[in-house]
Amino acid sequence: GAVVSQHPSRVICKSGTSVKIECRSLDFQATTMFWYRQFPKQSLMLMATSNEGSKATYEQGVEKDKFLINHASLTLSTLTVTSAHPEDSSFYICSAPSTGTGSDTQYFGPGTRLTVL
Amino acid sequence: GENVEQHPSTLSVQEGDSAVIKCTYSDSASNYFPWYKQELGKGPQLIIDIRSNVGEKKDQRIAVTLNKTAKHFSLHITETQPEDSAVYFCAAPLRWGLTFGSGTQLTVLP
Repeated sequence: GAVVSQHPSRVICKSGTSVKIECRSLDFQATTMFWYRQFPKQSLMLMATSNEGSKATYEQGVEKDKFLINHASLTLSTLTVTSAHPEDSSFYICSAPSTGTGSDTQYFGPGTRLTVL
Repeated sequence: GENVEQHPSTLSVQEGDSAVIKCTYSDSASNYFPWYKQELGKGPQLIIDIRSNVGEKKDQRIAVTLNKTAKHFSLHITETQPEDSAVYFCAAPLRWGLTFGSGTQLTVLP
């Protein structure tokens, strides 16, 4: 299957700082990528759809000014958590569709564990 | 939008026995149903998926069945092994991305 990587795998930051998470498709191009959030012992929740060359689409209840998404190339999407607070501590996971577009088979990255002190 | 319900939330089986996890969905237009396995601290791994033009798909010890009329689909794992222990999620498509079931913690007892 297609390979998706994330960096960093875990990050600890102080409250009020910003954190950037990278998501890369390693062996294919993706005009669309997706960002999910998973709290402990819960399911994955879609936060936003990252679109190469255009604005991201955010799910209801997700603050677009807090979670900045940039899809700068066909293999890279970044999620920046701005002014992070302890309630933002979570497991952030990205995915990309195997054909690179739309809602085809989704392959997930290994996730980034964010802890805000 | 689509809503997926999954049960049971926990399942314990003896090694070698079969495990079945069931999901129901709400949107009759949904046409793609993947299953993911997630180990602790890792991202979800796609293990099998099915599209609405077939009723069953099998890959070695894993199978998925789909009943479009009843709007439910199930994951079947046969001859379970300790390494099958993990959390399993079903999913269905949203307009963009996926919506996930609540997850099933499967424990295979040696």
